[in-house]
Amino acid sequence: DQQVKQNSPSLSVQEGRISILNCDYTNSMFDYFLWYKKYPAEGPTFLISISSIKDKNEDGRFTVFLNKSAKHLSLHIVPSQPGDSAVYFCAASAEYGNKLVFGAGTILRVKS
Amino acid sequence: NAGVMQNPRHLVRRRGQEARLRCSPMKGHSHVYWYRQLPEEGLKFMVYLQKENIIDESGMPKERFSAEFPKEGPSILRIQQVVRGDSAAYFCASSPLRLAGGYNEQFFGPGTRLTVL
Repeated sequence: DQQVKQNSPSLSVQEGRISILNCDYTNSMFDYFLWYKKYPAEGPTFLISISSIKDKNEDGRFTVFLNKSAKHLSLHIVPSQPGDSAVYFCAASAEYGNKLVFGAGTILRVKS
Repeated sequence: NAGVMQNPRHLVRRRGQEARLRCSPMKGHSHVYWYRQLPEEGLKFMVYLQKENIIDESGMPKERFSAEFPKEGPSILRIQQVVRGDSAAYFCASSPLRLAGGYNEQFFGPGTRLTVL
């Protein structure tokens, strides 16, 4: 039962352009959503989050959009940089502060 | 302020042996979570602990796996009689005391990569 889905295994983007990573979820009880970035042989690093009472949260080059009716969220990175190349995981929580449910991840490659 | 520490970083065991994975949370954090990542998959929740208490172990296999977070010392994830299917990356995360109505970010350690021969 895959409650959080990232349907694109990989994405390739030119440096300076926008990267858009997508995530869909099925559990309507999820009330907090997060994006993590992961480099090989390292643990996930928190990037940005959004509460279900909002539809947008911005932090520098990173913006997360939440569409509750479609059960869909996306991460926009503008402008993309080569250092952004990593695996990006979408995660969701049904209870504040408790377990996270992760998607399978999307490999982002930013070409210079 | 040191981050979440995990050791060992790499662990090789033969089938039937025991594996012990350690996690030291960030200073001041009293909540610990364990996740497992199988190849080509996302992280899967295993267990959530506070000091001396297991809060949620709904993701932990019923047999061979156990976890503890004692009053003193690191959190331990123990896997008895390992099998090849236990080969995975095991990540620990910690968070501070949860405030009412709020969300506390989980900070992840670098992981322990377990290989079962």
